[in-house]
Amino acid sequence: GESVGLHLPTLSVQEGDNSIINCAYSNSASDYFIWYKQESGKGPQFIIDIRSNMDKRQGQRVTVLLNKTVKHLSLQIAATQPGDSAVYFCAENGAGGGGADGLTFGKGTHLIIQP
Amino acid sequence: DTEVTQTPKHLVMGMTNKKSLKCEQHMGHRAMYWYKQKAKKPPELMFVYSYEKLSINESVPSRFSPECPNSSLLNLHLHALQPEDSALYLCASSQIGGNEQYFGPGTRLTVT
Repeated sequence: GESVGLHLPTLSVQEGDNSIINCAYSNSASDYFIWYKQESGKGPQFIIDIRSNMDKRQGQRVTVLLNKTVKHLSLQIAATQPGDSAVYFCAENGAGGGGADGLTFGKGTHLIIQP
Repeated sequence: DTEVTQTPKHLVMGMTNKKSLKCEQHMGHRAMYWYKQKAKKPPELMFVYSYEKLSINESVPSRFSPECPNSSLLNLHLHALQPEDSALYLCASSQIGGNEQYFGPGTRLTVT
């Protein structure tokens, strides 16, 4: 079965508000987690990543939190903008960078920005 | 150049046709990947090439045949596909030992 999943398929937020997208994973050996953004008609675009030895990582307007105790990952987007509308996927790479391994993606959350 | 390109953008083929999807990157990445993405679903790994050699085949039917002619190119040869093979086919690349995969825009395949 899937090792990575999401709680909500659709999330609607007001422009300017903060968004939180959640992800649960089941493989406790997972070493590396990534958030991707996929806009309509495009391939997934890297947003931010985090290693299993960290619990928080910040980027520009985005923060990823990792709770290994409950195997939970979240993506926080600050001051949501219309351009943030997309499907967001969490993904896991269990190899820890030791070679070339494919990613296992979660189900995805469609983020809708209300004006 | 941090771009992965894929051709064609769209492809319609019959079940008896033979066609190929192409992927190219010039980032010096030695790992390349094929994923299949059905509508409203996440990408699913099909194949991984490492140093131009097939390293992972996720039990993909033989009607899909990958090929990596050199370190910049990745092909996916298609033959005798079924309508359920209609999907977005994504190519990605990464450094060996690197975790960030760069995705192309995909080829939208329709099998009639």
